[in-house]
Amino acid sequence: DTGVSQNPRHKITKRGQNVTFRCDPISEHNRLYWYRQTLGQGPEFLTYFQNEAQLEKSRLLSDRFSAERPKGSFSTLEIQRTEQGDSAMYLCASSLTGRETQYFGPGTRLLVL
Amino acid sequence: GDSVTQMEGPVTLSEEAFLTINCTYTATGYPSLFWYVQYPGEGLQLLLKATKADDKGSNKGFEATYRKETTSFHLEKGSVQVSDSAVYFCALNNYGQNFVFGPGTRLSVLP
Repeated sequence: DTGVSQNPRHKITKRGQNVTFRCDPISEHNRLYWYRQTLGQGPEFLTYFQNEAQLEKSRLLSDRFSAERPKGSFSTLEIQRTEQGDSAMYLCASSLTGRETQYFGPGTRLLVL
Repeated sequence: GDSVTQMEGPVTLSEEAFLTINCTYTATGYPSLFWYVQYPGEGLQLLLKATKADDKGSNKGFEATYRKETTSFHLEKGSVQVSDSAVYFCALNNYGQNFVFGPGTRLSVLP
């Protein structure tokens, strides 16, 4: 069990550029979650997958955001036409289907200039 | 919708002091309750959890009891250490879906 990994750990981009983050969950976990955490706040749910199916999306996930999990393993989160308000820590978590404990990765910190 | 409220920080204590961080929740049904900890520069780590009323979760000297009658899950530790300095998040999970987190409470323990 190597834990949840996320890449890159840090990303600096200019407003209007597209960025993509990757999450590799714990290998036997079927569920994968994305959260956003801004400074001084708790994580806010964005979306989750069960295997390759995206089952729920938050209102926070505007049409500039898209997430995929094509083979039910790793996932990518893409933000198009980034805005300064997108600056945050993006967290990925995974869990077994039917189990409730979610295991979090170290996060990707995004700064939009 | 579901929500979690935590006491505002920062909380500053001397080493070996007693710690309480209050957490209350609003939820439909019977959620599971969690405390996560985030050390500087790291991701969230599960500290402890409780899945039903009157359950007590415990780990590393921390404990919290699921109180359905007061919708609370207060975190306690009898004697804090400098290494406990971190941000603590209370969270609930309803029916195995996404988590709802509180805003976090920053704890600083001074030697």
